[in-house]
Amino acid sequence: ILNVEQSPQSLHVQEGDSTNFTCSFPSSNFYALHWYRWETAKSPEALFVMTLNGDEKKKGRISATLNTKEGYSYLYIKGSQPEDSATYLCASSGSGYALNFGKGTSLLVTP
Amino acid sequence: EAQVTQNPRYLITVTGKKLTVTCSQNMNHEYMSWYRQDPGLGLRQIYYSMNVEVTDKGDVPEGYKVSRKEKRNFPLILESPSPNQTSLYFCASSPLAGGGNEQFFGPGTRLTVL
Repeated sequence: ILNVEQSPQSLHVQEGDSTNFTCSFPSSNFYALHWYRWETAKSPEALFVMTLNGDEKKKGRISATLNTKEGYSYLYIKGSQPEDSATYLCASSGSGYALNFGKGTSLLVTP
Repeated sequence: EAQVTQNPRYLITVTGKKLTVTCSQNMNHEYMSWYRQDPGLGLRQIYYSMNVEVTDKGDVPEGYKVSRKEKRNFPLILESPSPNQTSLYFCASSPLAGGGNEQFFGPGTRLTVL
């Protein structure tokens, strides 16, 4: 995998559903994996930055895992709420200073 | 309040008319970066700066210039804008250079070049 790829591209769930997204990234020359939440008309905000294989991080109902050997990360949202509606961006960095972003997963949570 | 600010937030201009988008952060961050966001594409890095007077090209630097004369400011300069530079631009900063630091994004500048 040369680029950061995210799936699905978009997702529509009902309030209360749990959901998860996938981010695939180049496993060679890996340094860190970032997740950002981007609400419409606002700026992206960092959720997690993970560096170690097996890392798991949690913030409220949102959690993320990291597998650096196979080059993927999952983002989970438990009991989705309408305010979780946003685009979730994943980005990976190597030994340099650049972040390579995926195209994002657009989540819509309806009541 | 700790923040990254950008000005202007919206700009409509014409081909060839030089413009500057300003970016300023008040968090004493070393690293600053410019991205552009286009439909169907991820955020793409234009230029970044690891510290004062240290800048380098990102993935899509053509048609852009930057400068980092002070730690807090990182302006993006379009010497001769063209319609393909119509985009949503984000400035971001992080405490240190290196991919392990979360980035703080500005509110974005929506640029239209006619």
